[in-house]
Amino acid sequence: DAKTTQPTSMDCAEGRAANLPCNHSTISGNEYVYWYRQIHSQGPQYIIHGLKNNETNEMASLIITEDRKSSTLILPHATLRDTAVYYCIVRVKGGGADGLTFGKGTHLIIQP
Amino acid sequence: EAGVTQFPSHSVIEKGQTVTLRCDPISGHDNLYWYRRVMGKEIKFLLHFVKESKQDESGMPNNRFLAERTGGTYSTLKVQPAELEDSGVYFCASSHDRLGGYTFGSGTRLTVV
Repeated sequence: DAKTTQPTSMDCAEGRAANLPCNHSTISGNEYVYWYRQIHSQGPQYIIHGLKNNETNEMASLIITEDRKSSTLILPHATLRDTAVYYCIVRVKGGGADGLTFGKGTHLIIQP
Repeated sequence: EAGVTQFPSHSVIEKGQTVTLRCDPISGHDNLYWYRRVMGKEIKFLLHFVKESKQDESGMPNNRFLAERTGGTYSTLKVQPAELEDSGVYFCASSHDRLGGYTFGSGTRLTVV
């Protein structure tokens, strides 16, 4: 699976949009971008995934650049409960190695 | 629907003892995964079951770890004998297929003293 690079930490004001970047310059054509988060003391939580088109669900939006070398996870109206470590993971969907490769992620802190 | 359930939530055992962790996946999910995070390290994949069969166990650290999934329902992860470096949080996840996201349990915090 391709390697990803994320900032170590970010701050965002409550109520504002949180934009979390991820670089994956070595991504292959059949690799998807997945986002998970881990709120303190809980198990990781799936957020969203995409291939090349932008995706949106009830939790977040995923914007993938046209060359697919980077992406941004957007939490439109961040709340204090969104404080967590966010992981950007690139993997082949339904194939390849089975395990998710969690890096260090981005520690997002929502400020009141 | 009920989520992924792990038991126990915490376990403290002495070095050399045996511990068995249990995971109940979401009903109907054929895929079951084990992960762990040891202190200060990243979350690491251990193994993947499809129903009762081990699909990939490349992440299992050594032969002190044994995972089973009898009947393709719940799974157990046994550590025998436990060592100090086995301390960490063990997560289980399940999915209906490998295409979407996984649902993780809350984890079992294992402390070996």
